[in-house]
Amino acid sequence: EPEVTQTPSHQVTQMGQEVILRCVPISNHLYFYWYRQILGQKVEFLVSFYNNEISEKSEIFDDQFSVERPDGSNFTLKIRSTKLEDSAMYFCASSEGDGVEKLFFGSGTQLSVL
Amino acid sequence: KQEVTQIPAALSVPEGENLVLNCSFTDSAIYNLQWFRQDPGKGLTSLLLIQSSQREQTSGRLNASLDKSSGRSTLYIAASQPGDSATYLCAVLSGGYNKLIFGAGTRLAVHP
Repeated sequence: EPEVTQTPSHQVTQMGQEVILRCVPISNHLYFYWYRQILGQKVEFLVSFYNNEISEKSEIFDDQFSVERPDGSNFTLKIRSTKLEDSAMYFCASSEGDGVEKLFFGSGTQLSVL
Repeated sequence: KQEVTQIPAALSVPEGENLVLNCSFTDSAIYNLQWFRQDPGKGLTSLLLIQSSQREQTSGRLNASLDKSSGRSTLYIAASQPGDSATYLCAVLSGGYNKLIFGAGTRLAVHP
């Protein structure tokens, strides 16, 4: 069964550094998402992406964050100047159509900011 | 602002029991509701998706119902097995076509 792939599975970085989290969505999917889950808290929506542009973003997704689809297969989340509170599990997801379709999630990248 | 609540937060049952997990949401204007399973250190696996016009969906031993007007959904697990042990998350699509709002989950442990 096709799946969403995320790399790396764990990322440790120093506060103030930039990190790039990578995702390979399912190949025929057109909508891409990033969610995050801080330890012990709910899964939170960050951003959705369609047709090479952001279609919706949450208040969490400020200028520190950016997303990109650099080629036909990868979807990346860049976090500039990381903060301690950015430590979380970051999930990538994709769907064939918009959100009324089933979302398929990757297994996540655990980001630890020291 | 849409809020999703799941009760109970944790549940421990012996193998073979039938279970009901509850999800409630504050704003009935949703497009759909999804139930996910989350295993430790793993991603989210979509179990069932109920569109706003539907009342229930079934997959194997799982049955999910939706009562949009009362802001409630239940996930029924029949004949529970130890392999069902996981956290079950409820999420609603609300306020746009792209933004799922999640509950905190019910952590289920099924012991032999």
